[in-house]
Formats: sequence, C-alpha cells, structure tokens
Amino acid sequence: QSVLTQPPSASGTPGQRVTISCSGSSSSIGSNAVSWYQHLPGTAPKLLIYSSIRRPSGVPDRFSGSRSGTSASLAISGLQSEDEADYYCAAWDDSLSGVVFGGGTKLTVL
Amino acid sequence: DVQLLESGGALVQPGGSLRLSCAASGFTFTTYAMTWVRQAPGKGLEWVSAVSYSGLSTYYAGSVKGRFTISRDNSKNTLHLQMNSLRDEDTAIYYCGKVYSGDGYNSAFDSWGQGTLVTVSS
Repeated sequence: QSVLTQPPSASGTPGQRVTISCSGSSSSIGSNAVSWYQHLPGTAPKLLIYSSIRRPSGVPDRFSGSRSGTSASLAISGLQSEDEADYYCAAWDDSLSGVVFGGGTKLTVL
Repeated sequence: DVQLLESGGALVQPGGSLRLSCAASGFTFTTYAMTWVRQAPGKGLEWVSAVSYSGLSTYYAGSVKGRFTISRDNSKNTLHLQMNSLRDEDTAIYYCGKVYSGDGYNSAFDSWGQGTLVTVSS
C-alpha cells in the first residue's frame, strides 16, 4: 500500500482534459513539493512536473500541476494518444525521511 | 546530453549480494544528488535510496535500510548501490536517477537511466 494515494485508472478521449489526483499527509504533500512522472513500462520514467507546479523544459504546457493542503493534481489538456501511459506522483516525507511514490494511475486514451 | 548507464544487474540467490553501478555523463556530477528507484514486476515505482552531491548524506527506504548501501565516486562520476541479504521481493528493474538539486531530500528526478534487472531467486 503506497503512502500517496492515486486512482488506479483514468481515461479520456482525444482532445479532452483529464485530471489525476494524489492524496498524501501533512508530512508528505502537506510539507513538501510534489513531482509527477510519466512512465511507459520498460522505458525510463520522465519528469513532467516538479515543485508541484513547474514544468521542465521540453514538457508541453498541456501538462499542469497543482497542490492544495495534503493533495495534489496533474491535469492533462488536449489529450493525445501518446499520453497513454502510467502516471506517478511523488513527494518527500518528513516522517519517513524518504521519497514516497503514489501507486500509479494508468491513463487510457479511448 | 545527460546520460546515465546502469550496470551490474543479475540473477542472484536469496541471501546473496550484488553491486549496481551507474555511470554518469553530460552534466557536472559533483553538483547533484543521485537516487535509485526500482520497479518490481507488475508493480509501481518505489524509491530506494538517495545520496547528496558530496556523498556525506544518505537516505534509504525502510524496506532496504540496513541491507543496501548507496555511495558515489565523484572522481569517476559513478553511483553505486551495494545490495546485501537480498530477498525475493527485491526482484525489480533498478533505475538510477539524477536529482534536480544537490541535496537528497527532493522528489524531482530529472534524468533517468534505462534500468538494470535484478532477479532474486533460488
């Protein structure tokens, strides 16, 4: 059972906007920045969002992050078929003195 | 371009040891913290360990603390993970990652290797 809670699956049609939630605690998301990753099994994960809301260079502005209290969200607008992947949230946890990941959300583009 | 190349993955018996390495290039290795993240078959990503830019501060997941040791050789731009007392549940692809900052208590890993497979089985 992961310390950060994500829905196991999400879906949308091309062009739609989808959001993926990530719920934590006061010692994780409540106190530290959130990162989001896109991962296709067998490949290297890709950083999409860091510091809860910032995008690394090269990441399309269709991807956006937000954080409020002990929860965070990743929004993907203008959904494309190539967005079909697993998405993970992560944060430092002060109580555990380590990084915790969410269980991952499998995004399907219908 | 940043390149991270893991090596050392293998089939090992329960209770055995293994040392993973990650050769880094394309950035100033001595400036950034480094991390290991793993993915067991059919499971999600799990953070394993991190080390600060200097190597003086190290951090471990509870599941590996006391069994795994992270280290870095800044003269050779190389990251290591010494894994002892291996268990079946340590079977996973192990990824090396570059942390976005110099300290280890950060969840932003902006570059990753392709991973190396560790299989623990008798």
